[in-house]
Parts: sequence; structure tokens; C-alpha cells
Amino acid sequence: KQEVTQIPAALSVPEGENLVLNCSFTDSAIYNLQWFRQDPGKGLTSLLLIQSSQREQTSGRLNASLDKSSGRSTLYIAASQPGDSATYLCAVPDGDNAGNMLTFGGGTRLMVKP
Amino acid sequence: DTGVSQDPRHKITKRGQNVTFRCDPISEHNRLYWYRQTLGQGPEFLTYFQNEAQLEKSRLLSDRFSAERPKGSFSTLEIQRTEQGDSAMYLCASSPWDPTDTQYFGPGTRLTVL
Repeated sequence: KQEVTQIPAALSVPEGENLVLNCSFTDSAIYNLQWFRQDPGKGLTSLLLIQSSQREQTSGRLNASLDKSSGRSTLYIAASQPGDSATYLCAVPDGDNAGNMLTFGGGTRLMVKP
Repeated sequence: DTGVSQDPRHKITKRGQNVTFRCDPISEHNRLYWYRQTLGQGPEFLTYFQNEAQLEKSRLLSDRFSAERPKGSFSTLEIQRTEQGDSAMYLCASSPWDPTDTQYFGPGTRLTVL
């Protein structure tokens, strides 16, 4: 059974810092890995999706990397802003089909202070 | 309509009552998923549909829970004889047939059982 873990559980940084969020998974046979953002009381917004054949994806100030062999992914946020404050979740689909259910980590709650 | 919608957004009920939630997926998305998220945790998979067929159900989905997608469009999730432990955010997501695409999440329905 796939297990996904995110470290740290919470993070508070001053505005402008570069930061790294970590995600690890136990079964390396993943189809893809996704990073989501969740604002308090809201649904999930997809940030980046990395296919299993890819090593990284970039979108603006966000960069996500994937190392399947070690079961790890990182989300790098450059020049953090107060608007980045949210919970960040990583998730992988069950089995070898991207349409299957997602298994999520517990999330990292990020607070960026002005 | 450009996103997944859920109704109601909030529901407060007394223990023992039945509740029903509705999810309208993105048009022409043939896959629809239900997840449950408790405070401070990542979402947990409940069930998913491909068109009108319910393909997988989690062990979290007790006999008091039932989900339908009668015409392969909108879906309903019913909880009978609610318990305080059912208090959570119920998230719906949909995805297209393309296996490289992501799941798109709705805003969720927050259930509070008193």
C-alpha cells in the first residue's frame, strides 16, 4: 500500500526566502506525482504534475523535482510571498494508472510573513 | 461552467440525520472521485466512477455511505445516520480520459455533525 509523507508539517518563513518542501513515497512504481495548493476551507488547486519519465517541472516561481528511485519529490518556491501562504499537498495515483485514486501526504502548512 | 461545483458548501446536521451532497464535474469528464479530508490531514479516497460505473470503493466507505452517478454526469454522496466522526470536508474531483491529465477538484462540502 502506497504511503506518502510530507516534511515539514508546518513552516513559517519571512517574505523573500527560498524554501523547499519535501514529499516521500514508499512505492517507487508511480505513474506521476502532483503538487497541489489548498487555501483554508477551500478545494485543491493543481500546481505541478510530473510524469514518471520526467525529472522536474517548472511554473513561475515553483519548481518540482522527482526522483523515483529514492521515492522523493521536492517543491522549491523561490522568493516567497505572503500570498504563497497555504497548505501544499503532494499526491500519487494508485498503481500504474493515472486515472486511479490519489494517495495524498499530510501536507505542509506554509506561512510567509511580510 | 469551467470547474467542478459542489452543493451545498456547508452542512450542519444533528447526529442520526441523513445528508446528501451533490457534485457536478467538468463537462465531458468521464471520471469522478470523492475524497474526505479531516482537519490537518490530506484527503483520503472514498470512491470513484468511470461514467456511471462505480469502479472502486475504499474501506472508509462504510455501509452508511452510498454514492451514485446515475447518468454519468453529476454524482451524489449520501450519508445515513450521521455520526460525529463523519464531520469533515468532502471533496469531489473529475478527470478526463487522458491518463496524463490531472484530477480537478471542487471547493468541497464541509459537514459538521453535532
